[in-house]
Amino acid sequence: GQQVMQIPQYQHVQEGEDFTTYCNSSTTLSNIQWYKQRPGGHPVFLIQLVKSGEVKKQKRLTFQFGEAKKNSSLHITATQTTDVGTYFCADMNTGFQKLVFGTGTRLLVSP
Amino acid sequence: GAVVSQHPSRVICKSGTSVKIECRSLDFQATTMFWYRQFPKKSLMLMATSNEGSKATYEQGVEKDKFLINHASLTLSTLTVTSAHPEDSSFYICSAKGAGGPNTYGYTFGSGTRLTVV
Repeated sequence: GQQVMQIPQYQHVQEGEDFTTYCNSSTTLSNIQWYKQRPGGHPVFLIQLVKSGEVKKQKRLTFQFGEAKKNSSLHITATQTTDVGTYFCADMNTGFQKLVFGTGTRLLVSP
Repeated sequence: GAVVSQHPSRVICKSGTSVKIECRSLDFQATTMFWYRQFPKKSLMLMATSNEGSKATYEQGVEKDKFLINHASLTLSTLTVTSAHPEDSSFYICSAKGAGGPNTYGYTFGSGTRLTVV
Protein backbone atom coordinates (compact mmCIF):
# COMPACT_ATOMS: atom_id res chain seq x y z
CA GLY A 1 0.00 0.00 0.00
CA GLN A 2 0.87 3.65 -0.12
CA GLN A 3 3.61 4.84 2.21
CA VAL A 4 4.01 8.49 3.16
CA MET A 5 7.30 9.17 4.89
CA GLN A 6 8.46 12.34 6.58
CA ILE A 7 11.95 13.47 7.48
CA PRO A 8 13.30 14.26 9.90
CA GLN A 9 11.46 12.26 12.57
CA TYR A 10 12.44 14.78 15.19
CA GLN A 11 14.11 18.18 15.29
CA HIS A 12 15.13 20.37 18.18
CA VAL A 13 15.83 24.02 17.35
CA GLN A 14 16.50 27.24 19.20
CA GLU A 15 13.80 29.86 19.03
CA GLY A 16 14.37 32.03 15.97
CA GLU A 17 15.90 29.26 13.86
CA ASP A 18 14.17 27.97 10.76
CA PHE A 19 12.64 24.50 10.43
CA THR A 20 11.68 22.32 7.47
CA THR A 21 9.90 18.97 7.27
CA TYR A 22 9.79 16.95 4.08
CA CYS A 23 7.03 14.61 3.02
CA ASN A 24 7.62 11.88 0.42
CA SER A 25 5.14 9.40 -1.00
CA SER A 26 5.70 6.08 -2.68
CA THR A 27 2.85 6.93 -5.05
CA THR A 28 1.54 10.09 -6.65
CA LEU A 29 -0.26 12.24 -4.13
CA SER A 30 -3.84 13.32 -4.77
CA ASN A 31 -4.22 16.38 -2.56
CA ILE A 32 -1.77 16.98 0.25
CA GLN A 33 -2.96 18.31 3.56
CA TRP A 34 -0.86 19.43 6.51
CA TYR A 35 -1.83 19.10 10.15
CA LYS A 36 -0.28 20.14 13.46
CA GLN A 37 -0.72 18.11 16.63
CA ARG A 38 0.31 19.67 19.90
CA PRO A 39 1.58 17.33 22.66
CA GLY A 40 -1.45 15.60 24.17
CA GLY A 41 -3.75 17.16 21.60
CA HIS A 42 -5.45 16.26 18.37
CA PRO A 43 -4.49 17.12 14.77
CA VAL A 44 -5.50 20.55 13.57
CA PHE A 45 -5.82 21.28 9.86
CA LEU A 46 -3.34 23.80 8.50
CA ILE A 47 -3.65 23.81 4.73
CA GLN A 48 -4.39 21.84 1.57
CA LEU A 49 -2.30 21.82 -1.63
CA VAL A 50 -3.81 20.58 -4.86
CA LYS A 51 -1.78 21.69 -7.85
CA SER A 52 1.62 20.51 -8.96
CA GLY A 53 4.29 23.02 -7.88
CA GLU A 54 1.85 24.93 -5.70
CA VAL A 55 3.25 27.19 -2.97
CA LYS A 56 1.13 28.64 -0.17
CA LYS A 57 2.07 30.83 2.75
CA GLN A 58 0.51 31.34 6.15
CA LYS A 59 2.45 33.99 8.04
CA ARG A 60 5.76 32.25 8.93
CA LEU A 61 4.74 28.93 7.36
CA THR A 62 5.45 28.10 3.71
CA PHE A 63 4.00 24.98 2.11
CA GLN A 64 5.15 23.52 -1.19
CA PHE A 65 3.83 20.75 -3.42
CA GLY A 66 6.36 19.03 -5.66
CA GLU A 67 6.18 19.26 -9.42
CA ALA A 68 5.66 15.52 -9.74
CA LYS A 69 3.14 15.50 -6.86
CA LYS A 70 5.16 12.91 -4.97
CA ASN A 71 6.53 15.19 -2.29
CA SER A 72 5.73 18.23 -0.23
CA SER A 73 7.42 20.41 2.36
CA LEU A 74 6.59 22.70 5.23
CA HIS A 75 9.03 25.44 6.16
CA ILE A 76 8.73 27.57 9.29
CA THR A 77 10.72 30.78 9.41
CA ALA A 78 11.99 32.05 12.76
CA THR A 79 10.42 29.40 14.95
CA GLN A 80 8.64 30.30 18.16
CA THR A 81 7.94 28.16 21.21
CA THR A 82 4.30 28.04 20.14
CA ASP A 83 5.38 26.06 17.06
CA VAL A 84 6.14 23.02 19.24
CA GLY A 85 4.26 19.92 18.14
CA THR A 86 4.19 17.19 15.54
CA TYR A 87 3.58 18.14 11.94
CA PHE A 88 1.89 15.61 9.70
CA CYS A 89 1.36 15.62 5.98
CA ALA A 90 -1.58 13.57 4.74
CA ASP A 91 -2.66 12.43 1.31
CA MET A 92 -6.36 13.02 0.80
CA ASN A 93 -7.73 10.25 -1.38
CA THR A 94 -10.31 12.11 -3.41
CA GLY A 95 -12.19 8.95 -4.28
CA PHE A 96 -12.73 7.59 -0.81
CA GLN A 97 -12.32 10.93 0.93
CA LYS A 98 -9.93 9.40 3.44
CA LEU A 99 -6.57 10.59 4.69
CA VAL A 100 -3.33 8.63 4.66
CA PHE A 101 -1.05 10.26 7.20
CA GLY A 102 2.68 10.64 6.92
CA THR A 103 4.96 9.45 9.68
CA GLY A 104 5.18 12.94 11.21
CA THR A 105 7.98 15.25 12.32
CA ARG A 106 8.17 16.22 15.97
CA LEU A 107 9.45 19.75 16.53
CA LEU A 108 10.82 21.01 19.80
CA VAL A 109 11.69 24.69 20.16
CA SER A 110 13.84 25.90 23.03
CA PRO A 111 13.57 29.52 24.20
CA GLY B 1 -16.01 26.56 12.63
CA ALA B 2 -16.73 22.87 12.55
CA VAL B 3 -16.50 21.17 15.94
CA VAL B 4 -16.28 17.47 16.68
CA SER B 5 -16.88 16.37 20.24
CA GLN B 6 -15.45 13.05 21.41
CA HIS B 7 -16.20 11.30 24.71
CA PRO B 8 -14.86 10.05 26.96
CA SER B 9 -11.43 11.67 26.88
CA ARG B 10 -9.94 8.97 29.08
CA VAL B 11 -11.16 5.56 30.10
CA ILE B 12 -9.65 2.73 32.06
CA CYS B 13 -11.34 -0.63 31.79
CA LYS B 14 -10.73 -4.19 32.86
CA SER B 15 -9.59 -6.79 30.40
CA GLY B 16 -12.56 -8.55 28.80
CA THR B 17 -14.99 -5.64 29.08
CA SER B 18 -16.28 -3.43 26.26
CA VAL B 19 -15.85 0.29 25.89
CA LYS B 20 -17.92 2.68 23.79
CA ILE B 21 -16.48 5.90 22.41
CA GLU B 22 -18.78 8.60 21.00
CA CYS B 23 -18.00 11.12 18.32
CA ARG B 24 -20.45 13.94 17.60
CA SER B 25 -20.39 16.68 15.01
CA LEU B 26 -21.78 19.67 16.89
CA ASP B 27 -22.55 22.25 14.26
CA PHE B 28 -22.64 20.34 11.02
CA GLN B 29 -23.89 17.09 9.57
CA ALA B 30 -21.30 14.44 8.87
CA THR B 31 -22.40 11.65 6.56
CA THR B 32 -18.89 10.23 6.87
CA MET B 33 -16.67 10.00 9.90
CA PHE B 34 -13.31 8.34 10.30
CA TRP B 35 -11.77 6.47 13.19
CA TYR B 36 -8.04 6.47 13.82
CA ARG B 37 -5.72 4.84 16.27
CA GLN B 38 -2.49 6.44 17.40
CA PHE B 39 0.34 4.87 19.41
CA PRO B 40 2.66 7.08 21.47
CA LYS B 41 4.86 9.26 19.28
CA LYS B 42 3.53 7.55 16.18
CA SER B 43 1.34 8.56 13.28
CA LEU B 44 -2.40 8.17 12.94
CA MET B 45 -3.54 4.88 11.50
CA LEU B 46 -6.94 4.84 9.83
CA MET B 47 -9.07 2.04 11.23
CA ALA B 48 -12.37 2.49 9.47
CA THR B 49 -14.68 4.83 7.61
CA SER B 50 -18.06 5.26 9.24
CA ASN B 51 -20.97 5.92 6.91
CA GLU B 52 -24.33 7.17 8.15
CA GLY B 53 -27.02 4.59 7.66
CA SER B 54 -24.76 1.87 6.29
CA LYS B 55 -22.01 -0.49 7.32
CA ALA B 56 -18.58 0.85 8.12
CA THR B 57 -15.67 0.20 5.81
CA TYR B 58 -12.70 -1.26 7.65
CA GLU B 59 -9.07 -0.95 6.65
CA GLN B 60 -7.06 -4.06 6.00
CA GLY B 61 -6.01 -5.81 9.18
CA VAL B 62 -8.64 -4.18 11.40
CA GLU B 63 -11.02 -6.66 13.02
CA LYS B 64 -14.58 -5.50 12.44
CA ASP B 65 -15.95 -7.76 15.17
CA LYS B 66 -13.46 -6.30 17.60
CA PHE B 67 -14.06 -2.67 16.74
CA LEU B 68 -17.79 -2.16 16.21
CA ILE B 69 -18.78 1.05 14.51
CA ASN B 70 -22.27 2.49 14.41
CA HIS B 71 -23.24 5.67 12.59
CA ALA B 72 -26.94 5.91 13.31
CA SER B 73 -27.41 9.62 12.69
CA LEU B 74 -25.83 12.46 10.76
CA THR B 75 -24.16 13.77 13.88
CA LEU B 76 -23.13 10.70 15.84
CA SER B 77 -20.73 7.83 15.26
CA THR B 78 -19.68 5.37 17.93
CA LEU B 79 -16.75 2.99 18.21
CA THR B 80 -17.10 0.06 20.60
CA VAL B 81 -13.98 -1.85 21.54
CA THR B 82 -15.32 -5.29 22.43
CA SER B 83 -13.65 -7.69 24.86
CA ALA B 84 -10.80 -5.27 25.33
CA HIS B 85 -7.30 -6.50 26.06
CA PRO B 86 -4.16 -4.63 27.12
CA GLU B 87 -2.92 -4.54 23.52
CA ASP B 88 -6.00 -2.46 22.65
CA SER B 89 -4.71 0.32 24.88
CA SER B 90 -4.17 3.32 22.63
CA PHE B 91 -5.31 6.81 21.66
CA TYR B 92 -8.43 6.67 19.49
CA ILE B 93 -9.44 9.73 17.46
CA CYS B 94 -12.40 10.38 15.25
CA SER B 95 -12.68 12.93 12.46
CA ALA B 96 -15.24 14.34 10.10
CA LYS B 97 -15.20 16.70 7.19
CA GLY B 98 -16.93 19.99 7.72
CA ALA B 99 -19.49 21.29 5.30
CA GLY B 100 -19.65 24.85 4.10
CA GLY B 101 -17.37 27.76 4.91
CA PRO B 102 -14.02 28.79 3.48
CA ASN B 103 -11.97 26.08 5.15
CA THR B 104 -13.94 23.00 4.27
CA TYR B 105 -11.05 21.06 2.79
CA GLY B 106 -9.64 19.98 6.09
CA TYR B 107 -10.94 17.37 8.44
CA THR B 108 -11.94 18.26 11.96
CA PHE B 109 -10.75 15.91 14.65
CA GLY B 110 -12.22 15.05 17.99
CA SER B 111 -10.07 15.54 21.06
CA GLY B 112 -9.35 11.83 21.25
CA THR B 113 -9.91 9.06 23.78
CA ARG B 114 -7.06 7.51 25.69
CA LEU B 115 -8.01 3.92 26.43
CA THR B 116 -6.11 1.91 29.01
CA VAL B 117 -7.00 -1.73 29.47
CA VAL B 118 -5.77 -3.28 32.69
